[in-house]
Amino acid sequence: DVVMTQTPVSLSLAIGQPASISCKSSQSLLGTSGKTFLNWILQRPGQSPKRLIYQVSKLYSEVPDRFSGSGSETEFTLKISRVEAEDLGVYYCWQGTHFPQTFGGGTKLELK
Amino acid sequence: EVQLVESGGGLVQPGRSLKLSCAASGFTFSNYGMAWVCQAPTKGLEWVASISTGGGNTYYRDSVKGRFTISRDNAKNTLYLQMDSLRSEDTATYYCASYGGYWGQGVMVTVSS
Repeated sequence: DVVMTQTPVSLSLAIGQPASISCKSSQSLLGTSGKTFLNWILQRPGQSPKRLIYQVSKLYSEVPDRFSGSGSETEFTLKISRVEAEDLGVYYCWQGTHFPQTFGGGTKLELK
Repeated sequence: EVQLVESGGGLVQPGRSLKLSCAASGFTFSNYGMAWVCQAPTKGLEWVASISTGGGNTYYRDSVKGRFTISRDNAKNTLYLQMDSLRSEDTATYYCASYGGYWGQGVMVTVSS
């Protein structure tokens, strides 16, 4: 199975500060289609997960452009240019290239 | 508005069965692969099973193979998860998710005697 390793486990930031979350996979997520199925999702406290980014760097239409995703093969990064209060919660990376699909362990973003 | 609404959860004894449903609306359900994802209390997310757009291809995590069956009815815009031979370790909130990125609100399954 592909192991997804997220770091850090937690982040404590003030509003307006930048954030960066790393996600590393134990094998390449580049699929035979030429696409890389690496997603980022956010789970706010007490809520179900919400979509943020798909295929490494593509933002869903409702996601603010302070979010960005980058990376390739086995190393990926989610960045928030300036953290806002609504950004708190747990961020997960999720690979859909290989079965079984697997999630990272999560990164908890707290506000300082 | 896109909605995925799960139902069918509850308290069940070990070894018994449960069938979850996920009613989809607001998007063309038949165009998207679908998945079930679970989250044990205070834990992270765990993929359970996926199904292709037409239902012809299904995939499962090892721990549920032979016990869980994912299926869909595109005429009814509904995704299902038949859960048999339930174990205490299956206790979790189960979310349905579309490969277009939408998630349901989740349904709790508790397996306990």
